[in-house]
Amino acid sequence: AQSVTQLGSHVSVSEGALVLLRCNYSSSVPPYLFWYVQYPNQGLQLLLKYTTGATLVKGINGFEAEFKKSETSFHLTKPSAHMSDAAEYFCAVISASGTYKYIFGTGTRLKVLA
Amino acid sequence: DAGVIQSPRHEVTEMGQEVTLRCKPISGHDYLFWYRQTMMRGLELLIYFNNNVPIDDSGMPEDRFSAKMPNASFSTLKIQPSEPRDSAVYFCASSLGRGVRTEAFFGQGTRLTVV
Repeated sequence: AQSVTQLGSHVSVSEGALVLLRCNYSSSVPPYLFWYVQYPNQGLQLLLKYTTGATLVKGINGFEAEFKKSETSFHLTKPSAHMSDAAEYFCAVISASGTYKYIFGTGTRLKVLA
Repeated sequence: DAGVIQSPRHEVTEMGQEVTLRCKPISGHDYLFWYRQTMMRGLELLIYFNNNVPIDDSGMPEDRFSAKMPNASFSTLKIQPSEPRDSAVYFCASSLGRGVRTEAFFGQGTRLTVV
């Protein structure tokens, strides 16, 4: 069975500072990994995904994440935070073997300070 | 494509009433998911379908909840009778579910308030 742990339910950064949101997964089979963002009163929007190939993946709005199998991690980063990045971020995992059952983490609310 | 469409966006109902939430997935997607989001429990998977067939309903909280997918373009989540603790945002999502083209696309959600 798959599971996802997001460390830190709330993260605050200053505008222009590095954003680092942590995600660790557990999976007995090769995983597909995702980061989603949710703005207030909206649905979840895909930021980026890892399926196969290059372990450093780039997404929208300047975000990127690196799949590290040895650390079972898929942390989300952005070099310079912008006020518009304030939102809730969710990490998710599914099995690459085809059950397509998405398991989400508990989310991390990012606050950007002026 | 217009994306995943959910209706209504907001629903306020009295305890004991039947509530039906509706979802139209993206055309061509094989998988449909129903999630519930609350402050206390986060994002919970209630049930998901593959080609209109329910695959896993282990997340459905109790018999008061039921979901159907009569065809590839429509699904419902019904709560009967509703209770105040059912108040939450309910999301529908769909995905192609083929190889690497597997990300889920979410609707805007239905905010349910049971009073």
